[in-house]
Amino acid sequence: EDQVTQSPEALRLQEGESSSLNCSYTVSGLRGLFWYRQDPGKGPEFLFTLYSAGEEKEKERLKATLTKKESFLHITAPKPEDSATYLCAINQAGTALIFGKGTTLSVSS
Amino acid sequence: DAGVIQSPRHEVTEMGQEVTLRCKPISGHNSLFWYRQTMMRGLELLIYFNNNVPIDDSGMPEDRFSAKMPNASFSTLKIQPSEPRDSAVYFCASSRDGNNSPLHFGNGTRLTVT
Repeated sequence: EDQVTQSPEALRLQEGESSSLNCSYTVSGLRGLFWYRQDPGKGPEFLFTLYSAGEEKEKERLKATLTKKESFLHITAPKPEDSATYLCAINQAGTALIFGKGTTLSVSS
Repeated sequence: DAGVIQSPRHEVTEMGQEVTLRCKPISGHNSLFWYRQTMMRGLELLIYFNNNVPIDDSGMPEDRFSAKMPNASFSTLKIQPSEPRDSAVYFCASSRDGNNSPLHFGNGTRLTVT
């Protein structure tokens, strides 16, 4: 059973059409939840770390939130340059980051 | 500030050949990670080092895979002999420490084994 599940697998939006990506996790003792952005042919690029339920982080059109079972990445008024794969990862004590399979976002103008 | 540097960017080899992937982490980072990415399985941890010492190699698929970190600025991942199912993108990442610091990834090595 996957410990980190992301949905949807793929999302197509029109420019300006806001939406949310979901990351749910089943582990206990979460030490941190990470969001990354990955462009084709590149390595994942760090966006945010969330440490506790109720925490929120923002960067430009992106806002990440965390509950005890899931995290959301909200994208407000997206632009074509926001097209990428967004990866979620969790950190448990004593382990390296465990990644979900990602959501591939396409934003068309 | 140079990021994590991996070489080569692309590697095409025949089944049975030895493959060596190389990584230079960010200076001052003391944790280094090797991940493998495929469409089917996503990003999977192979092994990670802390202060040049392997901490967790439970993700290494089998004895054909080995990794070394002879010093703080260099690591290698070796596959011998290579098989077609090893075809994937291999990423190296480093972090300031192993305690919840973000990972910084290189741009990967795309390995194709024919």
